Amino acid sequence: QKEVEQDPGPLSVPEGAIVSLNCTYSNSAFQYFMWYRQYSRKGPELLMYTYSSGNKEDGRFTAQVDKSSKYISLFIRDSQPSDSATYLCAMSLPGANNLFFGTGTRLTVIP
Amino acid sequence: DTGVSQNPRHKITKRGQNVTFRCDPISEHNRLYWYRQTLGQGPEFLTYFQNEAQLEKSRLLSDRFSAERPKGSFSTLEIQRTEQGDSAMYLCASSRGAASYEQYFGPGTRLTVT
Repeated sequence: QKEVEQDPGPLSVPEGAIVSLNCTYSNSAFQYFMWYRQYSRKGPELLMYTYSSGNKEDGRFTAQVDKSSKYISLFIRDSQPSDSATYLCAMSLPGANNLFFGTGTRLTVIP
Repeated sequence: DTGVSQNPRHKITKRGQNVTFRCDPISEHNRLYWYRQTLGQGPEFLTYFQNEAQLEKSRLLSDRFSAERPKGSFSTLEIQRTEQGDSAMYLCASSRGAASYEQYFGPGTRLTVT
């Protein structure tokens, strides 16, 4: 079992829809939770990070962490065609230097 | 802030050849990381530097792989005697201070071994 599980999709939504992207994890010691966006053949771009449980909002993006369920989510409001990309969740352990990534979910927003 | 840069962006090589990639981190970042990403997968950690010291290496980093970060600035990743299984995107990331969770990635070097 991988430490971080993410549905690879693909996910297609119409422009303006609310998108929900999710990851589950097995290691309860994970402390920081990140979301990256990766366009085709580009490097991952850090969207936001959350420490421990709770919500964090940044513009159209909201990240949620539920440590009791070992479940994290990224919501995108008013989705745009430019949001079409692969979204990667990542997590880190206390004192560790490497990130553990999910496989990524490919999102297409249809105009 | 010019971001993390990597060169070359693409490399095609024949099996058995050696290749070297370069990463220039964000200037004030003292931590530097190398990851490998294959198609349909998330990045996998290879190695980590704090300043010039290589402090951590993954089991994925076979003895054909070597990384350096002289003077704590840019870093190089060399793969000797390349194999077809080495074909992947090699990503470099950097972070500042103790914020290892806040890693910023470069555009990657796509390696194809024929």
